[in-house]
Amino acid sequence: QVQLVQSGSELKKPGASVKVSCKASGYTFTNYAMNWVRQAPGQGLEWMGWINTNTGNPTYAQGFTGRFVFSLDTSVSTAYLQISSLKAEDTAVYYCARDPSLVVVPAATYMDVWGKGTTVTVSS
Amino acid sequence: QSVLTQPPSVSAAPGQKVTISCSGSSSNIGNNYVSWYQQLPGTAPKLLIYDNNKRPSGIPDRFSGSKSGTSATLGITGLQTGDEADYYCGTWDFSLSAVVFGGGTKLTVL
Repeated sequence: QVQLVQSGSELKKPGASVKVSCKASGYTFTNYAMNWVRQAPGQGLEWMGWINTNTGNPTYAQGFTGRFVFSLDTSVSTAYLQISSLKAEDTAVYYCARDPSLVVVPAATYMDVWGKGTTVTVSS
Repeated sequence: QSVLTQPPSVSAAPGQKVTISCSGSSSNIGNNYVSWYQQLPGTAPKLLIYDNNKRPSGIPDRFSGSKSGTSATLGITGLQTGDEADYYCGTWDFSLSAVVFGGGTKLTVL
């Protein structure tokens, strides 16, 4: 079945880096865009940006430039989110979510399959 | 402060109907399609509605979506205790060139 399997929870110290993986199965990886969404504790959903799984071109939302990097390994149908120079405010659950429409028709964007989320905790 | 505005909470009794509103502008809802997501406690969001009013396979017809102008509405009929969750609207904003979400609405089934 179609699914996105994310890597496990991470506990990191401020200033460290973390790399979250999102492995896709059950569909052709390069046929769908991949979004990244952040949810801080007790807060709502925040779109971080997306990566074109055909070209590898990432697009970052405001507030997610500089320390955040989206990447791919299409040979294993996996998307990655790397966050460097971690801060306490990066503590959140990070979701990857497939998007059937974003590449061709952004106006019709929606996220039809979500990973279970990866909890990243930043604490000294 | 979210670009899309949703009520923080709504409540209704089992078996009743509830609606959740999502208000935006011409740069987002007014000219783009709206999707809705359900997030049960401790779980990932799940797609309920896309393209304003379409339901993915497996979503019961108790859930419906509509859009008028710069606002969208999620309707849920025959409320069940299992519908208690946070609900989010989402769409594209062409001014921001970004996906935007509402702040979320917590549904309580009394």
